[in-house]
Amino acid sequence: AQKVTQAQTEISVVEKEDVTLDCVYETRDTTYYLFWYKQPPSGELVFLIRRNSFDEQNEISGRYSWNFQKSTSSFNFTITASQVVDSAVYFCALGSYSSASKIIFGSGTRLSIRP
Amino acid sequence: NAGVTQTPKFQVLKTGQSMTLQCAQDMNHEYMSWYRQDPGMGLRLIHYSVGAGITDQGEVPNGYNVSRSTTEDFPLRLLSAAPSQTSVYFCASSSDRGMNTEAFFGQGTRLTVV
Repeated sequence: AQKVTQAQTEISVVEKEDVTLDCVYETRDTTYYLFWYKQPPSGELVFLIRRNSFDEQNEISGRYSWNFQKSTSSFNFTITASQVVDSAVYFCALGSYSSASKIIFGSGTRLSIRP
Repeated sequence: NAGVTQTPKFQVLKTGQSMTLQCAQDMNHEYMSWYRQDPGMGLRLIHYSVGAGITDQGEVPNGYNVSRSTTEDFPLRLLSAAPSQTSVYFCASSSDRGMNTEAFFGQGTRLTVV
C-alpha cells in the first residue's frame, strides 16, 4: 500500500528563518513520483516540484530546496529566508508510475510565517 | 487555455438529494481523478480514470459514482448526499509524460450537506 506521512501538523516561524517540512513515504513500487504542492489561503493547489524515484539529485529553486533520500524514504522541503507569502498548507504526495492519475497525498503541514 | 474547470464552486444540498459535480479539462490529458479534502486529512482519492471508458476506485469511493464517456469530462455523482460528504472536492488531470508528469487541479467545489 502507498502512504505519505507528514508528521508536522503545524509550524510557525518568524520571517527570514529557514524552515524544513518533512515527508516520509511508503510504496512497493520500484518506480514512482514524489510531489510537493502548496495550498495558500485562497484554496487552490499550486504545483511546486515533481521528483522521479530514479533521480536522487537534490534540487534548488530560488529559496526552495528539496532533499530526496531513497534510503530513508524521505522527500523533505526546505524554505530558506522564509517570507510571509510562504504561509500556506504544504502537501507532499506520492504518484504511481503505473497510474499517473493515482496520487496519494499526505495530511499536509500548515506553515505560518510571522512578520 | 482554461486547464481544469470545476462547477459549481459552492453547493448546499439537503440530506438524500443527488447531484453531479462537473469537471472538464482542455489539455487532452488521459488521466483524471477526484479528491476530497477534509480538515486535517489532506486530499483523499475518491475515483480515478486512466482514459475514456475506464474508471477505478480510490481510497474513499463509497457514496460516489463516476463515468468517463469523453477524454475531456469526468463528472462525480452523489446519489444520496449525506452530511459526511460535506467537504471540498478537487478534480485533477494529468498526462503520462515520463519525467514531466504533473497533476493539474481545478479550483475546487465546496459542498455542504445539511
